[in-house]
Amino acid sequence: AQTVTQSQPEMSVQEAETVTLSCTYDTSESDYYLFWYKQPPSRQMILVIRQEAYKQQNATENRFSVNFQKAAKSFSLKISDSQLGDAAMYFCAYREDTGTASKLTFGTGTRLQVTL
Amino acid sequence: GAVVSQHPSRVICKSGTSVKIECRSLDFQATTMFWYRQFPKQSLMLMATSNEGSKATYEQGVEKDKFLINHASLTLSTLTVTSAHPEDSSFYICSADTGASGNTIYFGEGSWLTVV
Repeated sequence: AQTVTQSQPEMSVQEAETVTLSCTYDTSESDYYLFWYKQPPSRQMILVIRQEAYKQQNATENRFSVNFQKAAKSFSLKISDSQLGDAAMYFCAYREDTGTASKLTFGTGTRLQVTL
Repeated sequence: GAVVSQHPSRVICKSGTSVKIECRSLDFQATTMFWYRQFPKQSLMLMATSNEGSKATYEQGVEKDKFLINHASLTLSTLTVTSAHPEDSSFYICSADTGASGNTIYFGEGSWLTVV
């Protein structure tokens, strides 16, 4: 079974600084998707960024970017110019490329604090 | 992004009664929806995969007779917690795949259930 590991239960970053959240996963599949979701105190799950495994280019979304290392099965999230609104739980997730019935497998999450 | 709506956002029920939570895809059709449960300070735990027009697929350890899932249309799935007990108190969240490119799952706002 696929597993997703987030080894940092908590991280802290100063406003305007950069922080990297780690994620590793285990799979025997070659085609899959990786995601980072943000869960603020409201508990709404918000998609931050998505990466297709067949793409070598790292995904970017404004201040958010990933470092996808397929051979190492690593998928870290970099947040640049951190803002107070970035404070939240961040979940790394894996999904097989088998259609709409394919489920997400989540990591245990990293709580990000943003300080002034 | 796509919109998934959940109702109610908060519900309190008496022990022994049943409570229904609705999950709707507002601007797309979803043949598959997913139901998760989240305990405090933990990750999302997949309970079951809801399949339109057929029986739900439950994860190991989830009581199918207690957590009834119905997916009667392409835009609505319901989770009914039957004979609720205080230990069923939790945050329940649904999600759905739009079927569009990118294989992305979108989440509802979640429902807080408190059993007293």
